[in-house]
Amino acid sequence: NAGVTQTPKFQVLKTGQSMTLQCAQDMNHNSMYWYRQDPGMGLRLIYYSASEGTTDKGEVPNGYNVSRLNKREFSLRLESAAPSQTSVYFCASSEGPVNTEAFFGQGTRLTVV
Amino acid sequence: KQEVTQIPAALSVPEGENLVLNCSFTDSAIYNLQWFRQDPGKGLTSLLLIQSSQREQTSGRLNASLDKSSGRSTLYIAASQPGDSATYLCAGIRSNDYKLSFGAGTTVTVRA
Repeated sequence: NAGVTQTPKFQVLKTGQSMTLQCAQDMNHNSMYWYRQDPGMGLRLIYYSASEGTTDKGEVPNGYNVSRLNKREFSLRLESAAPSQTSVYFCASSEGPVNTEAFFGQGTRLTVV
Repeated sequence: KQEVTQIPAALSVPEGENLVLNCSFTDSAIYNLQWFRQDPGKGLTSLLLIQSSQREQTSGRLNASLDKSSGRSTLYIAASQPGDSATYLCAGIRSNDYKLSFGAGTTVTVRA
């Protein structure tokens, strides 16, 4: 019953450091998403991948890059972390387009100091 | 920019009372609506998905309705229990790109 798995669960970075958040799903879903959740701002879409081989920007893409490595995996990279990127990051997937029920991972809590 | 609004932001009820959570959206491209539950420090758990061809969905004590013409969805939780205490989020799913747009959530407290 793995569903959507994110690693790591927690991370502390110094300003300017880089890191990659990993996400994998075992439900054979076509679409995958990266969201960030901030107090008072709700969940905002960073990037998404409608299908393997495609990626597109969401609402808040600046400072991030993504890679859809294969159908299972969708990674999010911070090239030069900034304190404004302190947040909880969630990966999600859905079968799409007929069945759009989305499933979320447990999140990565990132602090940039 | 599409908006998804949830009212109220917070709700406190005694155990046994029925809960009514509201979600409204302005984007006509939203064709499906999904409700989630989030416990503190945890991820989102899918509760119900209402597809455009449906007007409501039921799962146990939960019932969700969708009225696309008015841009509204309502989640009903019958006979609330303390274990129902959580934040409930609704998300509209767009028909052209399948992106989810979230409301800010309603935080529910059920008092024993």
